[in-house]
Amino acid sequence: EVQLVESGGVLVQPGRSMKLSCAASGFTFSSFPMAWVRQAPTKGLEWVATISTSGGSTYYRDSVKGRFTISRDNAKSTLYLQMDSLRSEDTATYYCTRDRDYFDYWGQGVMVTVSS
Amino acid sequence: DIQMTQSPASLSASLGETVTIECRASEDIYSNLAWYQQKPGNSPQLLIYDANSLADGVPSRFSGSGSGTQYSLKINSLQSEDVASYFCQQYNNYPNTFGAGTKLELK
Repeated sequence: EVQLVESGGVLVQPGRSMKLSCAASGFTFSSFPMAWVRQAPTKGLEWVATISTSGGSTYYRDSVKGRFTISRDNAKSTLYLQMDSLRSEDTATYYCTRDRDYFDYWGQGVMVTVSS
Repeated sequence: DIQMTQSPASLSASLGETVTIECRASEDIYSNLAWYQQKPGNSPQLLIYDANSLADGVPSRFSGSGSGTQYSLKINSLQSEDVASYFCQQYNNYPNTFGAGTKLELK
């Protein structure tokens, strides 16, 4: 059974940093691109970033380029999202997803609140 | 970015009814479209990919169709467990983009 379990969400002040993790199991992690998708409270879904199988290629939405870094450790089957210079508009539930261009598996999500 | 316009924004239907949700792309997305279901308090679940392919474990009362810029999700014989929000997503171009969602309730 595919499982994606996120961790690391919390309340953080604007301008500070936070790192999210996602532990994957139930599939060959190194064979699939992975992505983060977020959902602001009572809002729709928004793709954030994608990383290739090796980690050699990464893609970001414009609003997080230069502030967020997606990475992976295939030996640990773990996906990461380093978020720097956080803004109030980054407040959302962040989902770890398996990226087939569409997202076929999702984690339960982790809430990130950016507020002073 | 490709804009995805989803309609209606909300929908009320009776058990056993057939429901259709529409999604229009701002340009041709060549059937690179997925549909997701999100039940209250849960994460989204994939229903349909490539416009009309049913994801694993999804009941056959769900179906997708369309081409070019116009796509639809149909739910036959509505069940109580289908109460949820539904989102379309295009993955023809980066950044992939989602519709604003349709909230489906029981009448």
